[in-house]
Amino acid sequence: AQSVTQLGSHVSVSEGALVLLRCNYSSSVPPYLFWYVQYPNQGLQLLLKYTTGATLVKGINGFEAEFKKSETSFHLTKPSAHMSDAAEYFCAVTAGGSARQLTFGSGTQLTVLP
Amino acid sequence: KAGVTQTPRYLIKTRGQQVTLSCSPISGHRSVSWYQQTPGQGLQFLFEYFSETQRNKGNFPGRFSGRQFSNSRSEMNVSTLELGDSALYLCASSYGQGTNTEAFFGQGTRLTVV
Repeated sequence: AQSVTQLGSHVSVSEGALVLLRCNYSSSVPPYLFWYVQYPNQGLQLLLKYTTGATLVKGINGFEAEFKKSETSFHLTKPSAHMSDAAEYFCAVTAGGSARQLTFGSGTQLTVLP
Repeated sequence: KAGVTQTPRYLIKTRGQQVTLSCSPISGHRSVSWYQQTPGQGLQFLFEYFSETQRNKGNFPGRFSGRQFSNSRSEMNVSTLELGDSALYLCASSYGQGTNTEAFFGQGTRLTVV
Protein backbone atom coordinates (compact mmCIF):
# COMPACT_ATOMS: atom_id res chain seq x y z
CA ALA A 1 0.00 0.00 0.00
CA GLN A 2 1.10 3.54 -0.71
CA SER A 3 0.44 6.84 1.00
CA VAL A 4 1.51 10.44 0.63
CA THR A 5 1.83 13.18 3.23
CA GLN A 6 2.01 16.81 2.22
CA LEU A 7 3.30 19.03 4.98
CA GLY A 8 1.56 22.38 5.09
CA SER A 9 -1.93 22.76 3.73
CA HIS A 10 -1.24 26.43 2.98
CA VAL A 11 2.01 28.02 1.89
CA SER A 12 2.52 31.72 1.15
CA VAL A 13 5.52 33.16 -0.64
CA SER A 14 6.36 36.54 -2.07
CA GLU A 15 6.64 36.96 -5.82
CA GLY A 16 10.20 36.14 -6.81
CA ALA A 17 10.88 34.03 -3.72
CA LEU A 18 11.70 30.33 -3.60
CA VAL A 19 8.77 27.93 -3.65
CA LEU A 20 9.16 24.75 -1.60
CA LEU A 21 6.25 22.33 -1.26
CA ARG A 22 6.91 19.23 0.80
CA CYS A 23 5.86 15.67 0.04
CA ASN A 24 6.78 12.47 1.85
CA TYR A 25 5.66 9.08 0.69
CA SER A 26 5.28 5.61 2.02
CA SER A 27 5.42 2.64 -0.29
CA SER A 28 6.16 -1.05 0.09
CA VAL A 29 7.43 -1.18 -3.48
CA PRO A 30 9.54 1.24 -5.51
CA PRO A 31 7.28 4.23 -5.99
CA TYR A 32 6.40 6.27 -8.98
CA LEU A 33 5.78 9.86 -7.89
CA PHE A 34 3.92 12.74 -9.45
CA TRP A 35 3.15 16.38 -8.80
CA TYR A 36 -0.08 17.84 -10.16
CA VAL A 37 -1.40 21.40 -10.09
CA GLN A 38 -5.06 22.39 -9.93
CA TYR A 39 -6.38 25.85 -10.71
CA PRO A 40 -9.85 26.87 -9.44
CA ASN A 41 -12.68 24.93 -11.08
CA GLN A 42 -10.23 23.00 -13.23
CA GLY A 43 -8.92 19.48 -13.45
CA LEU A 44 -5.40 18.38 -12.61
CA GLN A 45 -2.39 19.16 -14.75
CA LEU A 46 0.78 17.11 -14.49
CA LEU A 47 3.81 19.18 -13.50
CA LEU A 48 6.40 16.40 -13.36
CA LYS A 49 6.89 12.75 -12.58
CA TYR A 50 9.57 10.43 -11.24
CA THR A 51 9.63 6.89 -12.49
CA THR A 52 13.18 5.56 -12.60
CA GLY A 53 16.59 6.97 -13.39
CA ALA A 54 17.63 10.52 -12.61
CA THR A 55 16.46 11.58 -9.18
CA LEU A 56 16.23 15.28 -10.05
CA VAL A 57 13.21 15.75 -12.24
CA LYS A 58 12.44 18.89 -14.18
CA GLY A 59 8.89 19.76 -15.07
CA ILE A 60 6.85 22.45 -16.70
CA ASN A 61 6.69 26.12 -15.67
CA GLY A 62 10.14 26.02 -14.05
CA PHE A 63 9.27 23.46 -11.37
CA GLU A 64 11.52 20.62 -10.34
CA ALA A 65 11.55 17.91 -7.70
CA GLU A 66 14.16 15.61 -6.22
CA PHE A 67 13.48 12.01 -5.31
CA LYS A 68 15.30 11.14 -2.06
CA LYS A 69 14.84 7.51 -1.20
CA SER A 70 16.69 7.80 2.14
CA GLU A 71 14.28 10.53 3.25
CA THR A 72 11.24 9.10 1.43
CA SER A 73 10.68 12.59 0.07
CA PHE A 74 9.78 14.19 -3.23
CA HIS A 75 9.68 17.92 -2.54
CA LEU A 76 8.65 20.37 -5.25
CA THR A 77 10.66 23.56 -5.79
CA LYS A 78 10.74 26.59 -8.04
CA PRO A 79 13.50 29.19 -7.71
CA SER A 80 11.31 32.24 -8.28
CA ALA A 81 7.55 32.37 -7.68
CA HIS A 82 5.25 34.05 -10.13
CA MET A 83 1.73 35.27 -9.46
CA SER A 84 0.42 32.71 -11.93
CA ASP A 85 1.79 29.90 -9.70
CA ALA A 86 -1.00 30.47 -7.18
CA ALA A 87 -2.95 27.22 -7.19
CA GLU A 88 -3.35 23.96 -5.30
CA TYR A 89 -0.62 21.38 -5.65
CA PHE A 90 -0.98 17.65 -5.16
CA CYS A 91 1.67 15.03 -4.71
CA ALA A 92 0.67 11.52 -5.79
CA VAL A 93 2.16 8.05 -5.70
CA THR A 94 1.46 4.86 -7.54
CA ALA A 95 3.03 1.44 -7.64
CA GLY A 96 3.93 -0.67 -10.60
CA GLY A 97 4.59 2.18 -12.94
CA SER A 98 1.09 2.90 -14.10
CA ALA A 99 -0.57 6.18 -13.31
CA ARG A 100 -3.96 4.60 -13.55
CA GLN A 101 -4.55 4.34 -9.80
CA LEU A 102 -3.03 7.30 -8.01
CA THR A 103 -2.96 7.89 -4.28
CA PHE A 104 -2.95 11.63 -3.63
CA GLY A 105 -1.80 13.76 -0.76
CA SER A 106 -4.18 16.23 0.82
CA GLY A 107 -2.86 19.12 -1.24
CA THR A 108 -1.05 22.38 -0.58
CA GLN A 109 -2.62 25.69 -1.45
CA LEU A 110 0.07 28.07 -2.69
CA THR A 111 -0.51 31.80 -2.35
CA VAL A 112 1.87 34.22 -4.07
CA LEU A 113 2.01 37.68 -2.52
CA PRO A 114 2.88 40.75 -4.62
CA LYS B 1 -5.49 16.48 -30.13
CA ALA B 2 -8.54 16.95 -27.94
CA GLY B 3 -8.14 16.44 -24.22
CA VAL B 4 -10.30 14.50 -21.81
CA THR B 5 -13.90 15.69 -22.02
CA GLN B 6 -16.31 15.39 -19.16
CA THR B 7 -19.99 16.16 -19.40
CA PRO B 8 -21.85 17.82 -17.92
CA ARG B 9 -19.61 20.35 -16.14
CA TYR B 10 -22.17 21.13 -13.47
CA LEU B 11 -25.10 19.15 -12.14
CA ILE B 12 -27.63 19.64 -9.36
CA LYS B 13 -29.58 16.64 -8.15
CA THR B 14 -31.95 15.90 -5.32
CA ARG B 15 -31.18 13.40 -2.58
CA GLY B 16 -32.40 9.93 -3.56
CA GLN B 17 -32.05 10.50 -7.29
CA GLN B 18 -29.47 8.85 -9.50
CA VAL B 19 -26.97 10.50 -11.80
CA THR B 20 -24.80 9.50 -14.75
CA LEU B 21 -21.57 11.29 -15.60
CA SER B 22 -19.74 10.89 -18.89
CA CYS B 23 -16.07 10.90 -19.82
CA SER B 24 -14.53 10.84 -23.29
CA PRO B 25 -10.81 10.00 -23.10
CA ILE B 26 -8.08 11.27 -25.34
CA SER B 27 -8.19 9.55 -28.69
CA GLY B 28 -6.25 6.30 -28.56
CA HIS B 29 -6.33 6.04 -24.77
CA ARG B 30 -7.83 2.80 -23.51
CA SER B 31 -7.74 3.37 -19.77
CA VAL B 32 -10.17 5.58 -17.88
CA SER B 33 -10.01 6.22 -14.14
CA TRP B 34 -12.46 8.11 -11.95
CA TYR B 35 -11.73 10.13 -8.83
CA GLN B 36 -13.91 11.94 -6.31
CA GLN B 37 -12.66 15.21 -4.86
CA THR B 38 -14.20 16.70 -1.72
CA PRO B 39 -12.89 19.29 0.76
CA GLY B 40 -13.03 16.77 3.58
CA GLN B 41 -11.65 13.61 1.97
CA GLY B 42 -9.52 15.08 -0.79
CA LEU B 43 -8.92 13.12 -3.98
CA GLN B 44 -10.02 9.51 -3.77
CA PHE B 45 -9.81 6.81 -6.41
CA LEU B 46 -13.16 5.37 -7.45
CA PHE B 47 -12.43 2.84 -10.17
CA GLU B 48 -10.51 2.20 -13.35
CA TYR B 49 -11.51 0.64 -16.63
CA PHE B 50 -9.31 -0.75 -19.34
CA SER B 51 -10.67 -2.28 -22.52
CA GLU B 52 -14.22 -2.31 -21.15
CA THR B 53 -13.21 -4.21 -17.99
CA GLN B 54 -13.07 -2.82 -14.48
CA ARG B 55 -9.50 -3.41 -13.34
CA ASN B 56 -9.42 -1.69 -9.97
CA LYS B 57 -11.96 -0.33 -7.52
CA GLY B 58 -11.58 2.03 -4.62
CA ASN B 59 -13.30 1.88 -1.27
CA PHE B 60 -16.72 3.22 -2.23
CA PRO B 61 -20.18 1.75 -1.68
CA GLY B 62 -21.96 -0.19 -4.38
CA ARG B 63 -24.07 2.86 -5.21
CA PHE B 64 -21.10 3.98 -7.27
CA SER B 65 -20.70 2.06 -10.50
CA GLY B 66 -19.25 2.56 -13.91
CA ARG B 67 -18.74 1.09 -17.29
CA GLN B 68 -16.62 1.56 -20.37
CA PHE B 69 -17.74 1.25 -23.95
CA SER B 70 -15.90 -0.20 -26.93
CA ASN B 71 -14.82 3.29 -28.01
CA SER B 72 -13.22 3.77 -24.54
CA ARG B 73 -15.78 6.34 -23.44
CA SER B 74 -16.79 5.80 -19.85
CA GLU B 75 -19.74 6.57 -17.66
CA MET B 76 -20.08 6.49 -13.93
CA ASN B 77 -23.38 6.20 -12.15
CA VAL B 78 -24.34 7.07 -8.61
CA SER B 79 -27.67 5.77 -7.38
CA THR B 80 -29.69 6.90 -4.39
CA LEU B 81 -27.75 10.12 -4.04
CA GLU B 82 -26.77 11.36 -0.61
CA LEU B 83 -25.78 14.86 0.43
CA GLY B 84 -22.24 13.59 0.99
CA ASP B 85 -21.94 12.67 -2.68
CA SER B 86 -21.60 16.35 -3.51
CA ALA B 87 -18.15 16.58 -5.02
CA LEU B 88 -16.02 17.26 -8.07
CA TYR B 89 -15.77 14.04 -10.06
CA LEU B 90 -12.64 13.81 -12.16
CA CYS B 91 -11.93 11.47 -15.00
CA ALA B 92 -8.43 10.64 -16.20
CA SER B 93 -7.32 8.77 -19.27
CA SER B 94 -4.10 6.89 -19.92
CA TYR B 95 -2.70 5.24 -22.99
CA GLY B 96 -2.05 1.73 -21.76
CA GLN B 97 -1.21 -0.58 -18.91
CA GLY B 98 2.53 -0.46 -19.14
CA THR B 99 5.02 1.39 -17.04
CA ASN B 100 5.72 5.05 -17.36
CA THR B 101 2.18 5.91 -18.31
CA GLU B 102 0.70 9.30 -17.54
CA ALA B 103 -2.82 10.21 -16.49
CA PHE B 104 -4.47 13.16 -18.23
CA PHE B 105 -7.36 14.68 -16.34
CA GLY B 106 -10.55 16.29 -17.54
CA GLN B 107 -11.99 19.45 -16.04
CA GLY B 108 -14.41 17.49 -13.91
CA THR B 109 -18.12 17.41 -13.23
CA ARG B 110 -19.28 19.38 -10.22
CA LEU B 111 -22.16 17.47 -8.63
CA THR B 112 -24.29 19.17 -6.01
CA VAL B 113 -26.85 17.10 -4.13
CA VAL B 114 -29.60 19.08 -2.40
